[in-house]
Amino acid sequence: GAVVSQHPSWVICKSGTSVKIECRSLDFQATTMFWYRQFPKQSLMLMATSNEGSKATYEQGVEKDKFLINHASLTLSTLTVTSAHPEDSSFYICSATGHASTDTQYFGPGTRLTVL
Amino acid sequence: GNSVTQMEGPVTLSEEAFLTINCTYTATGYPSLFWYVQYPGEGLQLLLKATKADDKGSNKGFEATYRKETTSFHLEKGSVQVSDSAVYFCAVDSGGGADGLTFGKGTHLIIQP
Repeated sequence: GAVVSQHPSWVICKSGTSVKIECRSLDFQATTMFWYRQFPKQSLMLMATSNEGSKATYEQGVEKDKFLINHASLTLSTLTVTSAHPEDSSFYICSATGHASTDTQYFGPGTRLTVL
Repeated sequence: GNSVTQMEGPVTLSEEAFLTINCTYTATGYPSLFWYVQYPGEGLQLLLKATKADDKGSNKGFEATYRKETTSFHLEKGSVQVSDSAVYFCAVDSGGGADGLTFGKGTHLIIQP
């Protein structure tokens, strides 16, 4: 149980285009979803926290107009990287918590974004 | 804000050796502590957790004890296997699940046969 999926697993796009990444909780309702960014050989950095039906809360230094987060349902959150640039290339990971265990986050497998 | 410091690798051990990966934290309130593992090409998986002082989390032969007095949560295993090769992340959550996790930088563990 507690499976989180992400789609796509990897994406390559041209500079200036927008990319959408989906995060789904497959077998539980996610009360909260989180988006992280991981640089090579570095730790995960929290980008934003989202609750279903409300606006996401962004961490300091994360541009909310660039990284659009939509949490439309209890099983789906999307991250859209708008007007992507090469410096946005990274590994994006989502996680989710559910009603049964609110202090344990279940992570998706991540999405590798490469901006040319 | 919260912070986590863990030993950086890579840590290279022989099979059946004893493993310790140190982790210390700073956090407000009464945080929960976690160890996550990331196997090559896979996402993070929860390895173990502890939610209050003196709790011991354990899973797959790994153990970690929540030491409030030393603000530590060191990961140990008595006899490692080649299959334990992975990156291990220590993390802290003081928001009761409402806030995101604060991670350490990760420790790359390499077990040689």
